Amino acid sequence: GAGVSQSPRYKVAKRGQDVALRCDPISGHVSLFWYQQALGQGPEFLTYFQNEAQLDKSGLPSDRFFAERPEGSVSTLKIQRTQQEDSAVYLCASSFWGFRDKSYEQYFGPGTRLTVT
Amino acid sequence: DAKTTQPNSMESNEEEPVHLPCNHSTISGTDYIHWYRQLPSQGPEYVIHGLTSNVNNRMASLAIAEDRKSSTLILHRATLRDAAVYYCILRALSGNTGKLIFGQGTTLQVKP
Repeated sequence: GAGVSQSPRYKVAKRGQDVALRCDPISGHVSLFWYQQALGQGPEFLTYFQNEAQLDKSGLPSDRFFAERPEGSVSTLKIQRTQQEDSAVYLCASSFWGFRDKSYEQYFGPGTRLTVT
Repeated sequence: DAKTTQPNSMESNEEEPVHLPCNHSTISGTDYIHWYRQLPSQGPEYVIHGLTSNVNNRMASLAIAEDRKSSTLILHRATLRDAAVYYCILRALSGNTGKLIFGQGTTLQVKP
């Protein structure tokens, strides 16, 4: 079946522009995560949704970052007034179970590479 | 969150077994051990996980030390497609929302 998809795959933004990154999780998956991966580093957690509820946003680096999942399926990560340090790959992952089942695996999308010039 | 330690890089020859080590001396009794890998220009991919007993699946085997302070991911026969960064991750049973905390991982090179 279809995996996690993300769009766009590549985004170039000028400093100060707003961007919106989309994630389509696997159908029926309850949990959705966003991660940020800087060049040469491992991914870092940004935020977590269980259905439409945002249960953890402790990893969002500033109030310029905002995420939503209004109907419990598709999610959008929005970055306002982009800065050069926002340049990274943004990864989305989904999982069938809710967070109480810590044995479950996460399925990752290919990521969106954001370059801020 | 408990920390894991992995070698920065390893090399293997094609069609030979590979043993990727991970130390996690501060692991708690309810931490699951997860392994993910990330191929170039792709998102991470789940490989295997375990709690106390050794585990096998179609991709790999996971050997967990009796005291759970270390584990080893075993690729039985490396192929060129196994060249990737391998991450060993601990996931606490409670106290967080299941987020994965990635370290630097081990970059595996497979030589033909």
